[in-house]
Amino acid sequence: DAGVIQSPRHEVTEMGQEVTLRCKPISGHDYLFWYRQTMMRGLELLIYFNNNVPIDDSGMPEDRFSAKMPNASFSTLKIQPSEPRDSAVYFCASSFGQGWPGELFFGEGSRLTVL
Amino acid sequence: AQKVTQAQTEISVVEKEDVTLDCVYETRDTTYYLFWYKQPPSGELVFLIRRNSFDEQNEISGRYSWNFQKSTSSFNFTITASQVVDSAVYFCALSEASYSNASKIIFGSGTRLSIQP
Repeated sequence: DAGVIQSPRHEVTEMGQEVTLRCKPISGHDYLFWYRQTMMRGLELLIYFNNNVPIDDSGMPEDRFSAKMPNASFSTLKIQPSEPRDSAVYFCASSFGQGWPGELFFGEGSRLTVL
Repeated sequence: AQKVTQAQTEISVVEKEDVTLDCVYETRDTTYYLFWYKQPPSGELVFLIRRNSFDEQNEISGRYSWNFQKSTSSFNFTITASQVVDSAVYFCALSEASYSNASKIIFGSGTRLSIQP
């Protein structure tokens, strides 16, 4: 079975540009998470979904960030406009929760560099 | 509010030594879950273990063992006879099991473990 698939693996863009990160969770998983990893702040939970519905977006840094999950097999994290401080590795993870925190399966991450 | 503290930023040991990674957590809930994840140099995070707050039995899996002590709010991880392949960043994580947020998992800052040959 395929794991969590993220694209692109690497993205270099200029400040002000729109960035879209994509994630395909493991089939059958009902939770999807977006995390951001930086040296300064470690692993931060940005937002998570349950059955395609956003449950907690309190970690989204500001209005420039938005996330959607139009169906059970696809999610996007969009940054518009991007800024250099958004440079980080963005991880998508999925799990089968059954109402309790299940094991998170992480993708390989999308490394974003904003110049 | 939930919080996970991994005070050890970096640890370096020589191969075959035992090493313990510390994790201290804070939560107001009586029901919660604790996790350890490994992030090897390749970057992908890998699940190692999950424990719930009602199960304080220590866990052993091969060279890995975990010591959960509610009295000190700690969930420490020990690698016995360390190997170079154990070199990675290790994260401790916590999830409070309130119904509305049962799957919100918060990570500590991680401990970078280097095993020298």
